[in-house]
Amino acid sequence: QVQLVQSGAEVKTPGSSVKVSCRSSGGTSRRHAISWVRQAPGQGLEWMGAIIPFSETADYAQKFQGRVTLTADESTTTVYMALIGLGAADTAIYYCAENNPSLRNAFHVWGQGTMVTVS
Amino acid sequence: QSVLTQPPSASGTPGQRVSISCSGSSSNIGNNVVFWYQQLPGAAPRLLIFRDDQRPSEVPDRFSGSKSGTSASLALSGLRSEDEATYYCSVWDDRLSAWLFGEGTKLTVL
Repeated sequence: QVQLVQSGAEVKTPGSSVKVSCRSSGGTSRRHAISWVRQAPGQGLEWMGAIIPFSETADYAQKFQGRVTLTADESTTTVYMALIGLGAADTAIYYCAENNPSLRNAFHVWGQGTMVTVS
Repeated sequence: QSVLTQPPSASGTPGQRVSISCSGSSSNIGNNVVFWYQQLPGAAPRLLIFRDDQRPSEVPDRFSGSKSGTSASLALSGLRSEDEATYYCSVWDDRLSAWLFGEGTKLTVL
């Protein structure tokens, strides 16, 4: 059973940066993309970007270009999401999710979410 | 304002059937498959429907999806109290080269 386990909550000051991790276990393929989706308090879901850990190829939503960087560590089956230039609008729960090609790249397995507070 | 339009709320009584719509355009719903997710309060989203109308094995057949042109719908039959959640449609947009989510529809079971 594939599982994604994320790092713990963070509190950051405006202008700083944050790095959230997402460790996979249970035999997921490193060729499956891992996406990052965020959710501001009381708001909807917003896709930030995705990375294929095997090749470290990443794509980013235009809104986050230049501010977010996705990386992968093969040795620990962990993906990282780094966001710079934090502002109050970045306060949100950040989720990682596996895009399953067998399900037409649906976000099938989700991490538990990481709360990032900018204050 | 999201590119995918969903009604902000929907409601029904136990046992009823409810439907939630998702309206898009030719660059997203009109040209790509649609997904539906359920988000219970305080939880991560859960996949309900993929490829417009397919259910993962773990999702009960009370949930069904459909698509026509640039709109899609999620239907829930035999409504239960545990179905109270927010439901999101999602699709890849060719013009934006990005995954989109609808604004979400909060379902209340009266």
